[in-house]
Amino acid sequence: QSALTQPASVSGSPGQSITISCTGTSSDVGAYDYVSWYQQHPGQVPKLMIYDVSNRPSGVSYRFSGSKSGNTASLTVSGLQAEDEADYYCCSYTRSKILVFGGGTKLTVL
Amino acid sequence: QVQLHQSGPGLVKPSQTLSVTCAISGDSVSGNTAAWNWIRQSPSRGLEWLGRTYYRSKWYSDYEPSVQGRITINADTSKNQFSLQLNSVTPEDTAVYYCASSGYFREYLQYWGQGTLVTVSS
Repeated sequence: QSALTQPASVSGSPGQSITISCTGTSSDVGAYDYVSWYQQHPGQVPKLMIYDVSNRPSGVSYRFSGSKSGNTASLTVSGLQAEDEADYYCCSYTRSKILVFGGGTKLTVL
Repeated sequence: QVQLHQSGPGLVKPSQTLSVTCAISGDSVSGNTAAWNWIRQSPSRGLEWLGRTYYRSKWYSDYEPSVQGRITINADTSKNQFSLQLNSVTPEDTAVYYCASSGYFREYLQYWGQGTLVTVSS
């Protein structure tokens, strides 16, 4: 199973919005609404930010939102803050009954 | 609130078996709505889902094809924990290994263990 495709890096200034894309296939991202997103700060454990494409777990800021169109999912972070600087990974359930991750995107807050 | 606590050796010799255990509190390893996953992370491979086990009237396991044949994920109901065994390891298997929980129609990794760095070296 190939990894999902994410841009290696994105950046934005405080207060701006950025979007991270996650491209898969009709066998994973396009097959189910089971896309999730994880935030990971250096040396820390990944943290669930979005599940089932667009749902936020309790405690996650409203500034984080998710969407999907066809085989591409997206994570948008609005009102960028310094603490949003981290690595972000998408993940999808697949027709093979396994999970597959994206390669990760480093978000830099300028 | 589910908590997962990992344990296991940090150094394994090439060709031997890597073994990491994940103790669960706040849920049951044999609960009908939970699934118990293993993920690893290395600089070269990023995050990689390895597999999971779950109980739905009987035990099931799903494995990532690239490690199928080398991997076993087992549950120990008496200790409420699950474990990862990866056979015939090489230096390419050096990574931080995480356990995590997901669930039935909840195909996301909600709770994570603290991570265990396993180095494969002679």
